[in-house]
Amino acid sequence: AQTVTQSQPEMSVQEAETVTLSCTYDTSESDYYLFWYKQPPSRQMILVIRQEAYKQQNATENRFSVNFQKAAKSFSLKISDSQLGDAAMYFCAYRSRGGSQGNLIFGKGTKLSVKP
Amino acid sequence: NAGVMQNPRHLVRRRGQEARLRCSPMKGHSHVYWYRQLPEEGLKFMVYLQKENIIDESGMPKERFSAEFPKEGPSILRIQQVVRGDSAAYFCASSRGTGSPGYTFGSGTRLTVV
Repeated sequence: AQTVTQSQPEMSVQEAETVTLSCTYDTSESDYYLFWYKQPPSRQMILVIRQEAYKQQNATENRFSVNFQKAAKSFSLKISDSQLGDAAMYFCAYRSRGGSQGNLIFGKGTKLSVKP
Repeated sequence: NAGVMQNPRHLVRRRGQEARLRCSPMKGHSHVYWYRQLPEEGLKFMVYLQKENIIDESGMPKERFSAEFPKEGPSILRIQQVVRGDSAAYFCASSRGTGSPGYTFGSGTRLTVV
């Protein structure tokens, strides 16, 4: 069974600085998706960024980028120029690409605080 | 183009009562997933449905929990005889299908059992 591990329960960053959130996963599959979701206090789950495992190029969305290391099964999220609105819980998630399985497997999350 | 709609947003039930949580997927989405989030935890998969079919219920507790997605109307997650341990946030997500990597989540229903 696949698992997702986020080893940092809490992180803090100064406004305008850069922070990296860690995520590792375990799978025997070769084709899958990886995601980072943001959950602010409103509880809404917001997709931040997605990576297809077959793509070597790291995904980027504005100030958010990932460092995808397939061999090491690592998928970290880098937030550049941190803003107060980035404060939230961040969840790493895995999803198989093949078969009928469509569900996401989540890590336990990292709570990010942004200091003004 | 409304997103995934969940209601109610908050639900309080006494122990032993029934809880019904509703989820209307995004327009054009025919696949619905239910997840449960306990305090200080990530989301845990419960059940995956398509119209009138349960595809995967491997994450559902064996007793008291059931889900449906009828031909017409929203998907319903039903919890019978609720207990304090059922208190959690329940999220619904929808997609076009397993071939589509994109999911859209609703805002969740927070169930409190008193």
